[in-house]
Amino acid sequence: AQKVTQAQTEISVVEKEDVTLDCVYETRDTTYYLFWYKQPPSGELVFLIRRNSFDEQNEISGRYSWNFQKSTSSFNFTITASQVVDSAVYFCALSEWDGNKLVFGAGTILRVKS
Amino acid sequence: EADIYQTPRYLVIGTGKKITLECSQTMGHDKMYWYQQDPGMELHLIHYSYGVNSTEKGDLSSESTVSRIRTEHFPLTLESARPSHTSQYLCASGQEKLFFGSGTQLSVL
Repeated sequence: AQKVTQAQTEISVVEKEDVTLDCVYETRDTTYYLFWYKQPPSGELVFLIRRNSFDEQNEISGRYSWNFQKSTSSFNFTITASQVVDSAVYFCALSEWDGNKLVFGAGTILRVKS
Repeated sequence: EADIYQTPRYLVIGTGKKITLECSQTMGHDKMYWYQQDPGMELHLIHYSYGVNSTEKGDLSSESTVSRIRTEHFPLTLESARPSHTSQYLCASGQEKLFFGSGTQLSVL
């Protein structure tokens, strides 16, 4: 069975600090997809990134970066120079080979204080 | 920009009422999903559909039912609501990535 663990329930940082959100996953599939979503107070989940299991290259998008390590089954998310607008719940998710039926982690609440 | 809509945004009802949560998308996606998000934040898949007249139950058992008569519409129905159904219900559609609606916060008194 697939499982996603986000061990950090809540993180508080001061604006401009860097912060890393951890994600560890379990799957027996050799082909799978990993995702990160952001849920702001409005409630809608916003897609951030999708990565397939064969692509271990790290990715950077502005202040966001992702570190995928198959050896440790981890897909961590780093926000550089955090801002108050980054405050939200962040979910890591895993899907089977066809990218459907996402299994979500429990989420990490990120609070960025000014 | 996601074009997936859920109504109502908030719903407070009494026990025993029948309710339908609406979900519509204008992106032509075949695949649609319903997730239930509990107060502890975890999201659980309760129903999904891979096309018209196709519906399946998800990983979390739910007393709700769904239908998929049209591609763009995937409503969720509770025949007799109970306090245990109080939760946030999120609808999603997509292929390589899921687009989510804003959710329906359901409170059953």
